[in-house]
Amino acid sequence: GQQLNQSPQSMFIQEGEDVSMNCTSSSIFNTWLWYKQDPGEGPVLLIALYKAGELTSNGRLTAQFGITRKDSFLNISASIPSDVGIYFCAGQKAAGSARQLTFGSGTQLTVLP
Amino acid sequence: ETGVTQSPTHLIKTRGQQVTLRCSSQSGHNTVSWYQQALGQGPQFIFQYYREEENGRGNFPPRFSGLQFPNYSSELNVNALELDDSALYLCASSLGGGSNYGYTFGSGTRLTVV
Repeated sequence: GQQLNQSPQSMFIQEGEDVSMNCTSSSIFNTWLWYKQDPGEGPVLLIALYKAGELTSNGRLTAQFGITRKDSFLNISASIPSDVGIYFCAGQKAAGSARQLTFGSGTQLTVLP
Repeated sequence: ETGVTQSPTHLIKTRGQQVTLRCSSQSGHNTVSWYQQALGQGPQFIFQYYREEENGRGNFPPRFSGLQFPNYSSELNVNALELDDSALYLCASSLGGGSNYGYTFGSGTRLTVV
């Protein structure tokens, strides 16, 4: 099935550093979502974006909905150990009754002390 | 407010067998979606149930089927299990079919087919 192109696949950073990851698609999405998944858990919603060009923050997290509606990025500032996990982008289209989510393949983040 | 609960948490089945996974939606949510997450991949949409009927389906064969009950809980059934069916199966609930507000995911059922 289709998945979004998410990069980087993995990142190793020092505590306190900023992190950036992005997601691209060949098709347009009307909503972009960013999730975090910890081991043994389901994805937890971090940020939701509903308009092209929208920039939204949630604490140390900032995400943007690309103006072409085919991409999005997530920034994490001043990383801390609990930021460790897998981050997924997900796109949602307006068409279709289910409006299911299409996920990226994830970015594995490791924060070194 | 209770979240999404799934059972069992882990399951081992033999190729060719059938399996049923269960999901209780978050309080107030009437829509349930099922996703399959293979190791190292993002979740893939299987199908969605809204008002006890299938409301959309991803690229999965008919041996993947589901049910939704009047209390909005749901089951995912997989017949004739194959080795490639080994994955984490996630249930997500939302309010209304085609929610615009994201979904609340359960912790998943880890299925291993041997």
